[in-house]
Amino acid sequence: NAGVTQTPKFRVLKTGQSMTLLCAQDMNHEYMYWYRQDPGMGLRLIHYSVGEGTTAKGEVPDGYNVSRLKKQNFLLGLESAAPSQTSVYFCASSSTVPGLAGRSYDTQYFGPGTRLTVL
Amino acid sequence: GENVEQHPSTLSVQEGDSAVIKCTYSDSASNYFPWYKQELGKRPQLIIDIRSNVGEKKDQRIAVTLNKTAKHFSLHITETQPEDSAVYFCAANAGGTSYGKLTFGQGTILTVHP
Repeated sequence: NAGVTQTPKFRVLKTGQSMTLLCAQDMNHEYMYWYRQDPGMGLRLIHYSVGEGTTAKGEVPDGYNVSRLKKQNFLLGLESAAPSQTSVYFCASSSTVPGLAGRSYDTQYFGPGTRLTVL
Repeated sequence: GENVEQHPSTLSVQEGDSAVIKCTYSDSASNYFPWYKQELGKRPQLIIDIRSNVGEKKDQRIAVTLNKTAKHFSLHITETQPEDSAVYFCAANAGGTSYGKLTFGQGTILTVHP
C-alpha cells in the first residue's frame, strides 16, 4: 500500500513550457486535491475532484488545468509555465466519513510533493 | 469563503517546555479541524484532529482544544522534544457540502532547543 504518490519529484521548466504532474492513490479515495505551497502562505488549494470524471476550481486555479479520468489518478497541467508558478506542489486524497447531521468530513493524506522551478 | 489565521508564525522553546499554537476561523459552519506537522522537505502529516462535537482531544503529549463560540482552536504540545521541531499547520473545513475542502493557516515554525 503506497498511499499517495507523485511524479516527478523535481522539475525545472523554462517560461512558456508545459508539463503534467501525476498524482496516484491506492486507497480507493473518492476525493483528490492539488495544492501549492509557497513560503509563509501555507497550502493553497488549486483544483479538486470529488470523483472520477469531475473537477472543480479551488482558491488559486488560474494557469492550471486538471483531469481525473481514472479514480486513482489526478493530473495537474501547466499549459504555459510562468515564474510565478515556481512552488512545491502537493497532491492529497481523502475518503468520506459519516459525520454529524449527515455531513461528511475527511482526513486528507498527502503525497511527497513535486518541487517545480520555472526560469 | 473560509479564512484561517494562525499565530505565532515562529515559536522557539526549550526542550521540556510546552508549546501552544492558536488558530481562528471565520466560517461558523466549519466542523472539522485538523493539525498537520511538516518536517523539512517532507509531506504534511496529520497529527491530531478534532470534530465540532467535542471541546478537547488528547493524544499522548499533544492536545487540541476547540471553542466554537469564539471560533478558535489551539494545539498544545507538552514536554517538547527536539524531534517536535517542524512547521505546524492548522486547517478548517468549509461547512455544508464542502467535499472535504480544507483551508490552511499560514503555518508556525516550531524550534525546540536541546
